[in-house]
Amino acid sequence: AQSVTQPDIHITVSEGASLELRCNYSYGATPYLFWYVQSPGQGLQLLLKYFSGDTLVQGIKGFEAEFKRSQSSFNLRKPSVHWSDAAEYFCAVAPSVGNEKLTFGTGTRLTIIP
Amino acid sequence: DVKVTQSSRYLVKRTGEKVFLECVQDMDHENMFWYRQDPGLGLRLIYFSYDVKMKEKGDIPEGYSVSREKKERFSLILESASTNQTSMYLCASSLDSGAQETQYFGPGTRLLVL
Repeated sequence: AQSVTQPDIHITVSEGASLELRCNYSYGATPYLFWYVQSPGQGLQLLLKYFSGDTLVQGIKGFEAEFKRSQSSFNLRKPSVHWSDAAEYFCAVAPSVGNEKLTFGTGTRLTIIP
Repeated sequence: DVKVTQSSRYLVKRTGEKVFLECVQDMDHENMFWYRQDPGLGLRLIYFSYDVKMKEKGDIPEGYSVSREKKERFSLILESASTNQTSMYLCASSLDSGAQETQYFGPGTRLLVL
């Protein structure tokens, strides 16, 4: 079965600074990879997803993520964060074969300071 | 836009009560899911449904059941609520059963069992 690890529980970043959220997965082949965001009091919203092809994926709200097979990673980045980016971010993995469902990481809470 | 609604944002119940959580989606999606979200544990899949009257157990089905009598509605039932079922419950839907499909989430129901 696949698994996903988000090593950072909480990250604090100054507004305007760059951001990188880490995600590592365990799966025998190339999985489907996702980043979701949960703003306070809201459900989850998809930021971006990777299936195949170009390893740098662009998403909504100015986010991007890079798939690195050699490191089993799918880190999320943003060059300049805004106060509205304060939220919880979830990485998720789904197998590219078989019938298993999405497996979510434990989440990283992002705090933005002025 | 896909809209997933959940019947309550906050719910307080007593131990032993039967609890119904309702979820409705308006985009004719085939798949629907129930997750629970707990701090430090991320999202865990309770049950999902591929079609009307079809259901499959997720990772943590114990103490829960589900009902899907109509395509747009997926109910989560706690037959006899217990304090360890205090949690945030998230409903989601997706267009079909492919693992690469985007899941669309409702705002969540925060359940407190006393």
